[in-house]
Amino acid sequence: AQSVAQPEDQVNVAEGNPLTVKCTYSVSGNPYLFWYVQYPNRGLQFLLKYITGDNLVKGSYGFEAEFNKSQTSFHLKKPSALVSDSALYFCAVRDSGLYTDKLIFGTGTRLQVFP
Amino acid sequence: DTEVTQTPKHLVMGMTNKKSLKCEQHMGHRAMYWYKQKAKKPPELMFVYSYEKLSINESVPSRFSPECPNSSLLNLHLHALQPEDSALYLCASSPGEEPNTEAFFGQGTRLTVV
Repeated sequence: AQSVAQPEDQVNVAEGNPLTVKCTYSVSGNPYLFWYVQYPNRGLQFLLKYITGDNLVKGSYGFEAEFNKSQTSFHLKKPSALVSDSALYFCAVRDSGLYTDKLIFGTGTRLQVFP
Repeated sequence: DTEVTQTPKHLVMGMTNKKSLKCEQHMGHRAMYWYKQKAKKPPELMFVYSYEKLSINESVPSRFSPECPNSSLLNLHLHALQPEDSALYLCASSPGEEPNTEAFFGQGTRLTVV
């Protein structure tokens, strides 16, 4: 079964510092991995995805993610955090087959960026 | 247009009421989804429509009834809900069922059952 895990419930970082939000995955077959962000009382916004190819994926709002096959990780990163980056971040894996088609989400990590 | 639009944004309903949630997208996407999200939890899939046909029902109680009138619209009909059904209901769409495509989410309907 496909799954992702986000080991940290919350990450705190000072504005201007680099940030990392961790995600590990367990998949059979090729991993199709995604990061989404959710602001309070809002839907999910797509940030980036890994399908194949370069292990460093660049996405929206200056975010990037590094795919590491040996460590089965797909950590989200940003070189310089902004207060406006404070939100709930979900890592997800696409489970797609004959009888299924869904995004399986991690439990989410709340990012708090302090001024 | 890369938006998925959901109406209403907020809904309060009694346990004997019948109401509907609506979702619309004009991106030509052929797969549409309903997710349910409880507070501080990840979204959980409820239904998938592919090419306007219900392809997946994640064992959702019959008090939730989805409908896809055409390729741009998705409804969720609600009847005799319970207070524990209170949640954020998210609609999403994607180009198809190919695993390498991302889903676009609406802003959700915040449902409160009283």
